[in-house]
Amino acid sequence: GAGVSQSPSNKVTEKGKDVELRCDPISGHTALYWYRQRLGQGLEFLIYFQGNSAPDKSGLPSDRFSAERTGESVSTLTIQRTQQEDSAVYLCASSLFTGWDYGYTFGSGTRLTVV
Amino acid sequence: AQSVSQHNHHVILSEAASLELGCNYSYGGTVNLFWYVQYPGQHLQLLLKYFSGDPLVKGIKGFEAEFIKSKFSFNLRKPSVQWSDTAEYFCAVIFNNAGNMLTFGGGTRLMVKP
Repeated sequence: GAGVSQSPSNKVTEKGKDVELRCDPISGHTALYWYRQRLGQGLEFLIYFQGNSAPDKSGLPSDRFSAERTGESVSTLTIQRTQQEDSAVYLCASSLFTGWDYGYTFGSGTRLTVV
Repeated sequence: AQSVSQHNHHVILSEAASLELGCNYSYGGTVNLFWYVQYPGQHLQLLLKYFSGDPLVKGIKGFEAEFIKSKFSFNLRKPSVQWSDTAEYFCAVIFNNAGNMLTFGGGTRLMVKP
C-alpha cells in the first residue's frame, strides 16, 4: 500500500488479557520499527526488524512483550497479561533499508487502553 | 547514555508570531537529526532532516532548523506561525553508534491562537 498500515486503530482490553497489534509496512521496506508513546511522553523505542530478524530488542520493556515479522512484511507486536501501564499509542514505522539516510514512514498507531 | 531533550513542553503563540523550539542531544559523535510533526488525529510526518552539509536546513511548510554542533542543538524555527501549525513537534536523532534507531525527544505541544 501507499503507507504504513496499523490495526486495530483502537483497542480496549481488560487487565491480564493478551493483545496483538499488527503493522503492515510499505511494500519493499526491509526495516520495520515499533515505538510506544505514552500519554504526555515522547516516543520510546521498542524493537526493530531488518528483514525477519530482530537485531535489537533492547527496548522491549518486559518479557510480556514480543514481536515477530514474517515474509519481510507484516509484523505483530504481542503483549501478554496486559497491565495498565501498557496503555499507550503503539507506533510502527518502516524504511527502505537500515542505513542512516533512509527516512522512516510512520503508521497512524494503535491506541491501547488497558482497563 | 545518549538522549534528546526538548525543554519546551507546551508553547502557546498567536498567529504571525515567530517560533523557535529547542532541541538538544547528548552525544559527541556523528548524528543525523530530524524534526517530526504530529497534527491532531494524524500520524507522524517528517518536517525536515539533517545529514550533512549546510547546517541550516529548510523543510516543508516554511519550517527550518539549524544544526549547531558546538551546542549539540538542532532548533526548529518558523518566522510566522499559522493556526494550522497547531500540533506536537518531535525532535529525533540517530546516533551513529545506534544503527538506524531514532531516539526521540519528549515532544513540544504548540498551540497557535487565531
